Amino acid sequence: QITLKESGPTLVKPTQTLTLTCTFSGFSLSTSGVSVGWIRQPPGKALEWLALIYWDDDKRYSPSLNTRLTITKDTSKNQVVLTMTNMDPVDTGTYYCAYKRNAASSYFDKWGLGTLVVVSS
Amino acid sequence: SYVLTQPPSVSVAPGQTARITCGGNNLGSKRVHWYQQRPGQAPVLVVFDDKDRPSGIPERFSGSNSGNTATLTISGAEAGDEADYYCQVWDPTTDQVFGTGTTVTVV
Repeated sequence: QITLKESGPTLVKPTQTLTLTCTFSGFSLSTSGVSVGWIRQPPGKALEWLALIYWDDDKRYSPSLNTRLTITKDTSKNQVVLTMTNMDPVDTGTYYCAYKRNAASSYFDKWGLGTLVVVSS
Repeated sequence: SYVLTQPPSVSVAPGQTARITCGGNNLGSKRVHWYQQRPGQAPVLVVFDDKDRPSGIPERFSGSNSGNTATLTISGAEAGDEADYYCQVWDPTTDQVFGTGTTVTVV
């Protein structure tokens, strides 16, 4: 059974750096083709893809947020970490991590429950 | 950047058919995926690669894709189908792209 769980601060101040951790089970990020991504959703708005990291450490970022994002993985801990710099109130929303089973597929098979992040002074 | 456009809302009577569209330039050349997001919950994949269903997804959910439009069809709509639905594709310039989302109301 594949599960993912997001964790991190609920409240961050403007200009601070956000660090979120995705802890997963039921698969390994060392398996060929597997990847984990981050997607966010402002309150009442649409999903927005942020970043993706592959089993071979290949990394992809949203072009509009590329300069603010860093994604890393710790295969031994079954974790993926996303950092976002220079946080702003418009970054408020629910942040999800999600699993992609192989490189040939472009859909997210399984999502975590999400974690709410509020950016406010 | 690549843009996917969906109608903000669709209403359907119980037992009837709901059709949710997703528009994009030359969308028929891409693989389109659909997610259901019930209120307060995480998205769930309901259709992938235009028309395939993951295990556990009812046959009532079906998909098609041609030209500039992909369509998610919900046949025999039920109250439990009330949710937001998002289409998604991969694009070489933007990577993962989500649609603007459609709220389905069963009334």
